[in-house]
Amino acid sequence: DAGVTQSPTHLIKTRGQQVTLRCSPISGHKSVSWYQQVLGQGPQFIFQYYEKEERGRGNFPDRFSARQFPNYSSELNVNALLLGDSALYLCASSLGGSREGRNEQFFGPGTRLTVL
Amino acid sequence: ILNVEQSPQSLHVQEGDSTNFTCSFPSSNFYALHWYRWETAKSPEALFVMTLNGDEKKKGRISATLNTKEGYSYLYIKGSQPEDSATYLCASPHSGNTGKLIFGQGTTLQVKP
Repeated sequence: DAGVTQSPTHLIKTRGQQVTLRCSPISGHKSVSWYQQVLGQGPQFIFQYYEKEERGRGNFPDRFSARQFPNYSSELNVNALLLGDSALYLCASSLGGSREGRNEQFFGPGTRLTVL
Repeated sequence: ILNVEQSPQSLHVQEGDSTNFTCSFPSSNFYALHWYRWETAKSPEALFVMTLNGDEKKKGRISATLNTKEGYSYLYIKGSQPEDSATYLCASPHSGNTGKLIFGQGTTLQVKP
C-alpha cells in the first residue's frame, strides 16, 4: 500500500513569491492535516481538512490557505513568502470522523521549503 | 492553551543501555496521547495512541505508560540499539474530534555502538 505522498520534495523560492504544496493521503483516509516543522521544535499545526471542509486552523496568518479535493488529496498554498516560512511542511492523513483525536495520523516525508 | 512538554531535549546512551523519557500534558480534559518516532530523512512514524489512565503499551523493546491524573507519559526503550536513534515526539489533540495535534519539542536519542 502506498503511504502518504507529498510533492515536491524540495523547493526554493524568493521572498514575495507564492508556493503550492501537494499531498495525497493513504487510500481510504478522508482527513488531511498540515504541519510546519522548524529545526529544534515539534511540528506546528496549520490546517485540517475532512470531507473537503476545514476542520481546524492553527495560528498562522491568512497568507496560508489550503483545500481538499474530492479524491481527498490536498494542497497548501502560501502567498507573499517570508524568510520565516522556510521550514519542513508535513502532511498527515487519517481516517477522520467523530473520534479523530484518537486516530493514528500517518505522515508523509515532507516538503522542504527554503525562502531566500 | 494546551502545552505539551518533553524532557530531556536530547539523550546520548551506549548500545545496550535502557532509557526513558517524559511527556507532560495538561491533565484536565484529557482525550488522547500520541507517541511518534522520527528517524532522520524519514517520515514520523506512529508508535502508540494512548487513551486510558494506567494504559501500558508495548512494541518490541519500546513501551509507554500513561498517567492522565497527573498529566504525564513515559516512553521506555529496553536495551537500546543504534537503530533506535531518532527523535521521539509526543502529541495531544487540541480537542477530541479534530486532528489538531499539539506536539512537544521532542527528545532526540543517540545510541552509540
